[in-house]
Formats: sequence, C-alpha cells, structure tokens
Amino acid sequence: QKEVEQNSGPLSVPEGAIASLNCTYSDRGSQSFFWYRQYSGKSPELIMSIYSNGDKEDGRFTAQLNKASQYVSLLIRDSQPSDSATYLCAVNMDSNYQLIWGAGTKLIIKP
Amino acid sequence: EAGVVQSPRYKIIEKKQPVAFWCNPISGHNTLYWYRQNLGQGPELLIRYENEEAVDDSQLPKDRFSAERLKGVDSTLKIQPAELGDSAVYLCASSLSGLMNTEAFFGQGTRLTVV
Repeated sequence: QKEVEQNSGPLSVPEGAIASLNCTYSDRGSQSFFWYRQYSGKSPELIMSIYSNGDKEDGRFTAQLNKASQYVSLLIRDSQPSDSATYLCAVNMDSNYQLIWGAGTKLIIKP
Repeated sequence: EAGVVQSPRYKIIEKKQPVAFWCNPISGHNTLYWYRQNLGQGPELLIRYENEEAVDDSQLPKDRFSAERLKGVDSTLKIQPAELGDSAVYLCASSLSGLMNTEAFFGQGTRLTVV
C-alpha cells in the first residue's frame, strides 16, 4: 500500500514564527514531491515542488527533502494569519506516475 | 492565461438521479485528472487521462461513474445513479504531461450534495 502520511493537526503557530509541516512517504522510489495549500472551501493551490535532496527556497517558503529518511517538509518563515490553511503533501510514485496525496495538516496562525 | 475551468460550481440532486460535471483544462495540458475530495481528506484520484486515453481509472467506481475526454481537451464526469455517499467535492486538474516532474493545477471544483 503506497502511502503519504501527514499529521492532521491543527498546528497552531504564533504570527511571525516559523511553521514546520512534515510529510512521510512509503515508496522509496518516489521522485517528485509537491506541497499544496488549500483554504477552506477552495481547491488546492500549488506552492512548492521539489525533486532532489536538500532545500528549495521560494520567498517565505522552504521545502526540504530527505529521500534516505523518506520525508519532505515545508517551512513557512514569518508566518502570517493568511497562511492559515490546510497544507497537502503529494508524492509522485512509481513508473505509473501515480500521485498519492496525504490527508493534509491544518495550520492556524494566531495573531 | 485561463486556469482550469469547471462547471457547475454547486449541484444538489436527489439520490438515484444522474449528474454530470464538466472540465476544461489549461490550454496545452495533455494530462487531465478527476479527483473526489471529502471533508478533512486529501484528493482521491478517480481517473487520469493522457490526451484522450484513460491511463489510470483503477479507483473509478465503474458501475455508476463514467468519464470521457473526447478530442483530448474537455472532459465530462458522470454519475448515474447518484448515491448519498457520492456527496463530495469533485476536482478537475491538469498538467503538461503525466510525467514525474510535472505540476498539476486545479479548477475550482464542483460541490455535489446528494439528498
């Protein structure tokens, strides 16, 4: 069973602090990793993609990938109330390019 | 550039009735996905198209669900007959291709309520 696991939360972070979201996956052969943000009642919106080990930074967002440990994380610096949303991790697994989704972590940024 | 367009945005139907959803992907995107999302869960893939070919429909309940993507552009997803458990948000997404490193973009979704 191919799985992507996320802590459902909610994760509560004070405004201005760093929010850290984690995701683990079961398929060691996975190659592509995506973070989506989903506001309540809205559809998922792509915010980061990462394909190789290490860090990838885009503004206040940093994605971190560790294939040996099979986890990918998303850091949000200087968290803002507008960052409050559910963050979905998606992993592209195997030769069929099947995209497997986690259930999401609900993030709450407290002013 | 227009994003993924879905219609209708909302649909309320009685159980046992048919319903159809329509999706127009981003221009030039060969891959089209239909997902179902229940509250508090991640998207669940129903079917993936590469151009007009359905390459992954293993999660599509084929006894009541059908989909088509004629000419490899627009797509429709149909449920007949609908059941109470089909109430969910149906999301359409598209990407340039279904290869490993291609990002998918979502439409606004159709919220289906079966009563």
